[in-house]
Amino acid sequence: DQQVKQNSPSLSVQEGRISILNCDYTNSMFDYFLWYKKYPAEGPTFLISISSIKDKNEDGRFTVFLNKSAKHLSLHIVPSQPGDSAVYFCAASGLNQGAQKLVFGQGTRLTINP
Amino acid sequence: KAGVTQTPRYLIKTRGQQVTLSCSPISGHRSVSWYQQTPGQGLQFLFEYFSETQRNKGNFPGRFSGRQFSNSRSEMNVSTLELGDSALYLCASSGRTSGRRELFFGEGSRLTVL
Repeated sequence: DQQVKQNSPSLSVQEGRISILNCDYTNSMFDYFLWYKKYPAEGPTFLISISSIKDKNEDGRFTVFLNKSAKHLSLHIVPSQPGDSAVYFCAASGLNQGAQKLVFGQGTRLTINP
Repeated sequence: KAGVTQTPRYLIKTRGQQVTLSCSPISGHRSVSWYQQTPGQGLQFLFEYFSETQRNKGNFPGRFSGRQFSNSRSEMNVSTLELGDSALYLCASSGRTSGRRELFFGEGSRLTVL
């Protein structure tokens, strides 16, 4: 049972444009959501997070939106840069599961074209 | 501040053997988690240790085990290796930071089972 789903395995975006990565979840007990970026041969690095009490969080070029009623979150990157090419993982946690246990999606490979 | 360090980075084993992977967390972090990454599956939670005690466990068979030492360093062991155990094993550490739950990952240990 995949509790966190990223339905797009890959996404290609022109440099300078907006990249939108999507994530859906099924467990209503999740109360904290995170995005990680992963380059080949490296471990995932934390990008941005959002608590379920908010619906938006911004950090520079990165913005995460949370729609609790739809159980959907998205990551917006604007403007997209070549260095953003990586695999992006959405993750969720809930206090009832153990706050340090993250449930990850399958990842979306983002390619930024010059 | 040094990041999460995992050893070895790469290893090749044959079916039936056992393997031990090591993880040194970020200084001051007391929680260590282990994840398995396979193509198409994202990251799957194995277990979490805190103060030398297993605090949470994922849905993996008993062949997968771990432990944590008093200095917070952690090891995971996989016995009777199977071909399907070939994966990237990621260790992550975390410390309490204003309620944020991000994990800091190492570069991983890539295990190939022949």
